[in-house]
Amino acid sequence: NAGVMQNPRHLVRRRGQEARLRCSPMKGHSHVYWYRQLPEEGLKFMVYLQKENIIDESGMPKERFSAEFPKEGPSILRIQQVVRGDSAAYFCASSPGWQRQGAQETQYFGPGTRLLVL
Amino acid sequence: DQQVKQNSPSLSVQEGRISILNCDYTNSMFDYFLWYKKYPAEGPTFLISISSIKDKNEDGRFTVFLNKSAKHLSLHIVPSQPGDSAVYFCAASEFLPGNTGKLIFGQGTTLQVKP
Repeated sequence: NAGVMQNPRHLVRRRGQEARLRCSPMKGHSHVYWYRQLPEEGLKFMVYLQKENIIDESGMPKERFSAEFPKEGPSILRIQQVVRGDSAAYFCASSPGWQRQGAQETQYFGPGTRLLVL
Repeated sequence: DQQVKQNSPSLSVQEGRISILNCDYTNSMFDYFLWYKKYPAEGPTFLISISSIKDKNEDGRFTVFLNKSAKHLSLHIVPSQPGDSAVYFCAASEFLPGNTGKLIFGQGTTLQVKP
C-alpha cells in the first residue's frame, strides 16, 4: 500500500543542465500538486494537475519550468537550464479527486526530491 | 504577502505537558485548514484538518481549534511525547468557483519535546 512516491530523492545538477523530477500519486488518486520549499521557508504551491491536464499553474515560474501528468506514468516536473536559485526541496502531493475542484480534500505528500544546483 | 502566518519559529515543552502551536490567517475566504508534521529529509505528514463550519476537531492526542472571527487556529498536543519533536506546518485552502484546492502554508514551527 504505497503512498506518494517521488524519485530521485536527491538530484545534483550543474548550472544549465535539466532536472526531471517524478511523482507517482497514491493509488486511486487522480489529483497531483507540486510544491517547492526553499531553505528556512514554508512550502509554496507551484502547479496542480489532473490526468493529461494542467488545472492551475499560477505558482510556477513562467520560464524554464514545466509539468505534466500523462495518461500513463508518473507526473513530471521539468526544470530546464537550472540555476543555483532552483536549489530546493520539491514535494509532490496527491488527493483523491472526488471533490469537483479538489478543494477540501486532504493532500498526502511524498518524501520530496532535494535538488542541488552546483 | 503572507496569508498564513506561524509567528513562533520554535517551541519547547516538557514531555507529558501540553504543546500549543498557533497559526493566523488573513484571507477570510479560507474554509479548510490542515496541520502537517515534518521530520528532516521527509515529506509533510498529514495530522488533522478542520472545516470552517466547525470550531473544533479532535483525533487522539491532537485537537485543532478554529476561531473564525479572530482568523486564528491552534493545534493542541496532549500529552506531548519526544517523538512529536518535528516542524509543524499550518495550511489553508479556499473553496470558490474555479479554485483548485491549492494549499497555502505557514512558515512552520519547530517543536522540541524534552524527556
